[in-house]
Amino acid sequence: GDSVTQMEGPVTLSEEAFLTINCTYTATGYPSLFWYVQYPGEGLQLLLKATKADDKGSNKGFEATYRKETTSFHLEKGSVQVSDSAVYFCALPASGGSYIPTFGRGTSLIVHP
Amino acid sequence: GAGVSQSPSNKVTEKGKDVELRCDPISGHTALYWYRQRLGQGLEFLIYFQGNSAPDKSGLPSDRFSAERTGESVSTLTIQRTQQEDSAVYLCASSLGSGWTEAFFGQGTRLTVV
Repeated sequence: GDSVTQMEGPVTLSEEAFLTINCTYTATGYPSLFWYVQYPGEGLQLLLKATKADDKGSNKGFEATYRKETTSFHLEKGSVQVSDSAVYFCALPASGGSYIPTFGRGTSLIVHP
Repeated sequence: GAGVSQSPSNKVTEKGKDVELRCDPISGHTALYWYRQRLGQGLEFLIYFQGNSAPDKSGLPSDRFSAERTGESVSTLTIQRTQQEDSAVYLCASSLGSGWTEAFFGQGTRLTVV
């Protein structure tokens, strides 16, 4: 079945540092790919998405490129801020006969001033 | 409504009591999901509703857990005889249609069983 693997957290960075959170997936075909963000005390919200290979999703300074060759969708940001401290989830949509999407375990990001 | 609304935001209950959590999805969203998120953990799928179809209950951890949804409206998740291990944040999400195009999450209900 489908699966998503994210790097273990927490990731701790200083403000203005470069961020990469790795995400690789196993799926049939070429599904859309998503990154969700969960700020403290809140639900998840969609951060960005890509619907086909080589697409780049971007939002709030974050980017992720759909790489079918490496089945990856790594999240990057050139200069993180304290306000980016949150948990980030990589996700696959439901597929086949299932209606249940697949989420990664989440990666906690802590940004220090 | 403008977004997915969950109530209560926080609930503290004594072990053995029943609790009912509510989710009000975005109007027109036919799909509704319940998830459990234990402290510092990822999302654990509980149940899925799609329109008037039979729900997918495959994620419910025990028969103490049940959920209802009438048509495409409000859903309630009920936990009977709560246990301490039920302490978690319960998240609800809704989306247009089946599958997963973009899901919108509520802010969650933080349940603490003492």
